[in-house]
Amino acid sequence: DTEVTQTPKHLVMGMTNKKSLKCEQHMGHRAMYWYKQKAKKPPELMFVYSYEKLSINESVPSRFSPECPNSSLLNLHLHALQPEDSALYLCASSQDRGASEAFFGQGTRLTVV
Amino acid sequence: DAKTTQPPSMDCAEGRAANLPCNHSTISGNEYVYWYRQIHSQGPQYIIHGLKNNETNEMASLIITEDRKSSTLILPHATLRDTAVYYCIVIETSGSRLTFGEGTQLTVNP
Repeated sequence: DTEVTQTPKHLVMGMTNKKSLKCEQHMGHRAMYWYKQKAKKPPELMFVYSYEKLSINESVPSRFSPECPNSSLLNLHLHALQPEDSALYLCASSQDRGASEAFFGQGTRLTVV
Repeated sequence: DAKTTQPPSMDCAEGRAANLPCNHSTISGNEYVYWYRQIHSQGPQYIIHGLKNNETNEMASLIITEDRKSSTLILPHATLRDTAVYYCIVIETSGSRLTFGEGTQLTVNP
């Protein structure tokens, strides 16, 4: 199984809502990542988890809160988002933090209204 | 990590070889060259990587110049499904920041 599964595929939320994005992999990878991608732009790194611990936070606003409950799961909790946070959110995993052959999910298309 | 420069767009005829260049003149000795691609509305996909030798796999070939300041990704027989944005990334083996530049939009035409 070489898949990274993200749910939901699409999400529409209001600015006062709380929602969560989920990511799952069963490849035994110990590094997991969240990226944000705006239309016609490259993916931008948000967070890196290594061995279930947050190792990199690219100065992401606190309205985005990552969580890694176990080695297979990665969540991104969303609260009080702004319309400009609308984007494709991509999850990825790799064997460890130093391995750059990453596997990406298909993303969650988030719209904030 | 070293910066890369890629042309913003390229066209290729179906069935012909697509040669995508990447300039990485500030690359250091412990940095690898990685290539990813992103088909519209999908997540990026790893293609190939190399240090200084040329590499080939079932998807593509990677040619790195002797001075390592540039490289070329070759898709030997491009198909319409190869239409995508191709990203060249230079990263240390221990680097954890897989950082994407603007990439090259490759359009394969029938």
